[in-house]
Amino acid sequence: DAEITQSPRHKITETGRQVTLACHQTWNHNNMFWYRQDLGHGLRLIHYSYGVHDTNKGEVSDGYSVSRSNTEDLPLTLESAASSQTSVYFCASSEGRSEIYTGELFFGEGSRLTVL
Amino acid sequence: GQNIDQPTEMTATEGAIVQINCTYQTSGFNGLFWYQQHAGEAPTFLSYNVLDGLEEKGRFSSFLSRSKGYSYLLLKELQMKDSASYLCAAHDSNYQLIWGAGTKLIIKP
Repeated sequence: DAEITQSPRHKITETGRQVTLACHQTWNHNNMFWYRQDLGHGLRLIHYSYGVHDTNKGEVSDGYSVSRSNTEDLPLTLESAASSQTSVYFCASSEGRSEIYTGELFFGEGSRLTVL
Repeated sequence: GQNIDQPTEMTATEGAIVQINCTYQTSGFNGLFWYQQHAGEAPTFLSYNVLDGLEEKGRFSSFLSRSKGYSYLLLKELQMKDSASYLCAAHDSNYQLIWGAGTKLIIKP
């Protein structure tokens, strides 16, 4: 069965360290997204990609970067982790845009990151 | 600005019916989504509305009024497993999803 997986599921790191969260999907979806979820906030978009070599900034992109070298993977890198980046991170994917667009997002299980 | 409003928390009784409301203000509109998220898990897709009216899917129904910027999710015959957060999200004119903070639904026996 097709799926979307994230790793690591839990990570504790120190302020200033570089951290990479992996996301791998076997749906063959064009679109991939990274969100963070914090109490009291809706899901907030960090970065997204509509295809290989395409990346775009979301509403909370400062301090994060992504690259898309193939269809399956969209790793999220925190260049220099800060305590404000302690959060649960969700990767998601969806089919390409079309006039008849279901918009259904398929989410990974989440990665809980703690920055001390 | 763009905004989605939904109640923070609701409580209902097993076997009853509950309606979770959502109002949205977006730059353009290309559909409204409901997702369910159990504690500690990923959101999962429940429904999608782009035209006015009611969409029924088993015990769950979703309603949309584009003119009022309003949607609701109706859950019937509530079961304990329906205890979860329900996330409302709207697509703006660029197909960017705007998310509400979610409604935590507590089901009591």
